[in-house]
Amino acid sequence: QQQVKQSPQSLIVQKGGISIINCAYENTAFDYFPWYQQFPGKGPALLIAIRPDVSEKKEGRFTISFNKSAKQFSLHIMDSQPGDSATYFCAASRAGNNRKLIWGLGTSLAVNP
Amino acid sequence: DAGVIQSPRHEVTEMGQEVTLRCKPISGHNSLFWYRQTMMRGLELLIYFNNNVPIDDSGMPEDRFSAKMPNASFSTLKIQPSEPRDSAVYFCASTSLGSHEQYFGPGTRLTVT
Repeated sequence: QQQVKQSPQSLIVQKGGISIINCAYENTAFDYFPWYQQFPGKGPALLIAIRPDVSEKKEGRFTISFNKSAKQFSLHIMDSQPGDSATYFCAASRAGNNRKLIWGLGTSLAVNP
Repeated sequence: DAGVIQSPRHEVTEMGQEVTLRCKPISGHNSLFWYRQTMMRGLELLIYFNNNVPIDDSGMPEDRFSAKMPNASFSTLKIQPSEPRDSAVYFCASTSLGSHEQYFGPGTRLTVT
């Protein structure tokens, strides 16, 4: 049972364009929603994260939009660059000492120069 | 900080052999996670430890897999006997008390022939 559903599976964007990746979750107990970025041959690394008390968080060209009522959150990459080409994972976890993350299946992003 | 250290980086073994993967978490981190990544199944949590104690091993595929954390600076993931379907990249990640950000190691690419 996939508790965090991520789409699309792959995405091709032109340089300078906007990349949008979406995730939907089922468990209303989730209260932490990170996005991780993974380059080939490397482990995933935290890119940006949000908690449900805000609807948007921006860090540079990366923005998370969060819709609590719809149980959805998305990653927007503005002015996409070839260096952003990577696999992106959304995840979610519950409050408390249990820091287990429930992961989406990933989106492979290719930014064409 | 050296980050999470995993060894070996690559392992090629024959079916039926025992495989041991090793992980040194970031100093001061008290939670450690073992993941398996494949194209078909994405990133799967196998087991995680808090303060050297296994908290959730529901992702361990079967009895052939075992994990230990004898102290705060070392963990092993053992597969005995190994099978070709165990071929994957195995990641170790750690995080500190009160944080949800997981720091991943570079991974071990396991190939079982």
